[in-house]
Amino acid sequence: NAGVTQTPKFRVLKTGQSMTLLCAQDMNHEYMYWYRQDPGMGLRLIHYSVGEGTTAKGEVPDGYNVSRLKKQNFLLGLESAAPSQTSVYFCASSTTTGTRYEQYFGPGTRLTVT
Amino acid sequence: GEDVEQSLFLSVREGDSSVINCTYTDSSSTYLYWYKQEPGAGLQLLTYIFSNMDMKQDQRLTVLLNKKDKHLSLRIADTQTGDSAIYFCAERGTGGFKTIFGAGTRLFVKA
Repeated sequence: NAGVTQTPKFRVLKTGQSMTLLCAQDMNHEYMYWYRQDPGMGLRLIHYSVGEGTTAKGEVPDGYNVSRLKKQNFLLGLESAAPSQTSVYFCASSTTTGTRYEQYFGPGTRLTVT
Repeated sequence: GEDVEQSLFLSVREGDSSVINCTYTDSSSTYLYWYKQEPGAGLQLLTYIFSNMDMKQDQRLTVLLNKKDKHLSLRIADTQTGDSAIYFCAERGTGGFKTIFGAGTRLFVKA
């Protein structure tokens, strides 16, 4: 099992460019999440999904879009990147079985917008 | 709204005990978690405690929960240099599956 994988690991964008971050999980988890991590601010939830074909806004959704066309994949899109979106992005997934809702995290994508 | 607060830095000597503290606001939290993040990696669940428990021990780790004060702590006994990492306190909020994370405490272990 690879767990949660993220592509790419690093990216530098110019202001106004677009990109898509890919998250994949092989644990058959229903729930998937996108977070951003900024110094001193911990993890903030951008968007999440409770199942294939569904998405919902989190705490900081502006400037991002997501899609969950397949259960194992969760894509995060930036249509017009801004320097404020410089951050480390983490994808996570969790199961619906049991009640612990432990989240499994990918290794992160470090994005710099100049 | 729901919030989780923790101090940002802690420095200890190798072999000493480390205590990382956290406070949370959601009195209906069901599970409280400690996640560990090593450099360049994602978060990994270290331990958790159910809200009807006061204490949980797991090898070198001891979690204490004071529900009245909404205070959670993580004690690492015999701290090693390999314990240097960022430790995140988190709670499962009233939304059910959503988890609220604190800002993380960076633990430095001096040899």
